[in-house]
Amino acid sequence: KAGVTQTPRYLIKTRGQQVTLSCSPISGHRSVSWYQQTPGQGLQFLFEYFSETQRNKGNFPGRFSGRQFSNSRSEMNVSTLELGDSALYLCASERTPQETQYFGPGTRLLVL
Amino acid sequence: DQQVKQNSPSLSVQEGRISILNCDYTNSMFDYFLWYKKYPAEGPTFLISISSIKDKNEDGRFTVFLNKSAKHLSLHIVPSQPGDSAVYFCAARPKTSGTYKYIFGTGTRLKVLA
Repeated sequence: KAGVTQTPRYLIKTRGQQVTLSCSPISGHRSVSWYQQTPGQGLQFLFEYFSETQRNKGNFPGRFSGRQFSNSRSEMNVSTLELGDSALYLCASERTPQETQYFGPGTRLLVL
Repeated sequence: DQQVKQNSPSLSVQEGRISILNCDYTNSMFDYFLWYKKYPAEGPTFLISISSIKDKNEDGRFTVFLNKSAKHLSLHIVPSQPGDSAVYFCAARPKTSGTYKYIFGTGTRLKVLA
């Protein structure tokens, strides 16, 4: 069974731009969560989607948004990028929200 | 407010010895705990989990212990191998109805010396 895939793997943007990251969950998994990882901060929860509905949202500004499609694939968008948005963005999927999460390899975003 | 804490940012252990990674939490509503291992340039890989109704769970070389009264979680790796060198994250899930997100610690970097 294929794992969680994320595209692109690496991205360089400049301040003020916007970016869209994509995540394809494991086949049969309907729950997708997004996390931001920065040095010294661990994994910070962004949001969780299940059956195209946002179930939870972490403490991030409104510049961070996401959505989930009917095939369970998910995208997250960051508008008006800031230098501090440079991080590894991880996507994780679960069959349902209360099961074990499996992570993708992440998208490393660098904002210049 | 860091609800899940890994107070040791790094740990070095000799190959063949036991590695003990610790995690403390503050929220008594957490009911499910997990450990993940992360290599550079890869996403975290699920290792082992434990429900709050248990105090120990074992899987091969990995054992997780849960002390609910102390709100403390530990991961034991015996024997440690060089391939175990990675960053280890503990995570906890609150059982509050409607809240399913996982809360992660900041990670402990384990180095197993050959």
